[in-house]
Amino acid sequence: KAGVTQTPRYLIKTRGQQVTLSCSPISGHRSVSWYQQTPGQGLQFLFEYFSETQRNKGNFPGRFSGRQFSNSRSEMNVSTLELGDSALYLCASSLGGLAGSMQETQYFGPGTRLLVL
Amino acid sequence: DQQVKQNSPSLSVQEGRISILNCDYTNSMFDYFLWYKKYPAEGPTFLISISSIKDKNEDGRFTVFLNKSAKHLSLHIVPSQPGDSAVYFCAASAYGAGSYQLTFGKGTKLSVIP
Repeated sequence: KAGVTQTPRYLIKTRGQQVTLSCSPISGHRSVSWYQQTPGQGLQFLFEYFSETQRNKGNFPGRFSGRQFSNSRSEMNVSTLELGDSALYLCASSLGGLAGSMQETQYFGPGTRLLVL
Repeated sequence: DQQVKQNSPSLSVQEGRISILNCDYTNSMFDYFLWYKKYPAEGPTFLISISSIKDKNEDGRFTVFLNKSAKHLSLHIVPSQPGDSAVYFCAASAYGAGSYQLTFGKGTKLSVIP
């Protein structure tokens, strides 16, 4: 079974631009979560989508948004990029129970490394 | 305020010896704890977990210990192997407002020296 895939793997943008990252979950998985990883803050939860609806949200500004399609693929968008948005963005999928619960193991993709200049 | 802390950014251990990775948390509502391992250029991989109703969980060479009164958990790897060299993240889960949310520590980089 193929794992979680994320595209692109690397991205360079300039301040003020916007970016869209894509995530394809494991086949059969309906929940997709996004995380931001930076050296100073570790992994921080952005949001979770299930059945095309945002089910949970972390403490990030409204510049960070996402969506999920009917095939469970998900995209996240960051508008008006800032230097501090440079990070590794990780996507994780799980079957469909509440992500983070004992019954739901999350499987992570390799991430998209975003550099904002 | 960091709710999950991994105070050692790095750890070096000789092959064959025990590796002990530590994690402290502050939120009493956390009821489920996990360890993830991450190799460079890969996403984190689930390693082992423990429920708050237990104090120990074993899986092969990996054992996680939970001390709720001290709000402390640790991951023991015995014996350590060079392939265990990776960044280890501790994570904790709490239920609230109809959903769970994982809170991660900043990670500990383990180097196992042959």
